[in-house]
Amino acid sequence: GAVVSQHPSRVICKSGTSVKIECRSLDFQATTMFWYRQFPKKSLMLMATSNEGSKATYEQGVEKDKFLINHASLTLSTLTVTSAHPEDSSFYICSARAMGTSGSFATQYFGPGTRLTVL
Amino acid sequence: AQSVTQPDIHITVSEGASLELRCNYSYGATPYLFWYVQSPGQGLQLLLKYFSGDTLVQGIKGFEAEFKRSQSSFNLRKPSVHWSDAAEYFCAVANNTNAGKSTFGDGTTLTVKP
Repeated sequence: GAVVSQHPSRVICKSGTSVKIECRSLDFQATTMFWYRQFPKKSLMLMATSNEGSKATYEQGVEKDKFLINHASLTLSTLTVTSAHPEDSSFYICSARAMGTSGSFATQYFGPGTRLTVL
Repeated sequence: AQSVTQPDIHITVSEGASLELRCNYSYGATPYLFWYVQSPGQGLQLLLKYFSGDTLVQGIKGFEAEFKRSQSSFNLRKPSVHWSDAAEYFCAVANNTNAGKSTFGDGTTLTVKP
């Protein structure tokens, strides 16, 4: 099956610093990637949708200047948490989706997640 | 707007017993429905999906789900639970466009007693 990787798996940083998380589709080209945030014992909250070569579409309430998303290639999307604060500590999960055949819906494949802790 | 409800926050079953996890969705058209499993500290793994056709869908690890349009439900079942099935289970609905985003339920935590 399709594999999506995330790096790093865990990161601890000081308040005020920026952290970059990478999401890669290893064996397929992802025209669309999604970034989610998951709080403990909670569901996944969609933060933004990114399409290769275009600006990300952010969900309501998500600060686009704080959570910078870049989808520079068909296999790589990055999420940069700028000027991180303790309240940004969370589990961040990406997913990737290839173009479906004949424009049909294609399944999302999820990365293993990145645990961010901001001190 | 699409939404998903998983009525059971936590379910405990004995190993070997049958399992049913409930999922109700709200969507104006024919939905795309998914069940995912998440182990602690891990990402999500797709168990099965329904797009169209046969309303009884077979997935991995012995799971199946049945789409019932009249009840707006997509319940997940397994005839005999194994201890390794203990995890968090998420139901999700996506709109039927190529750019469709998925909306997730709040999840059901499954505990398996020996």
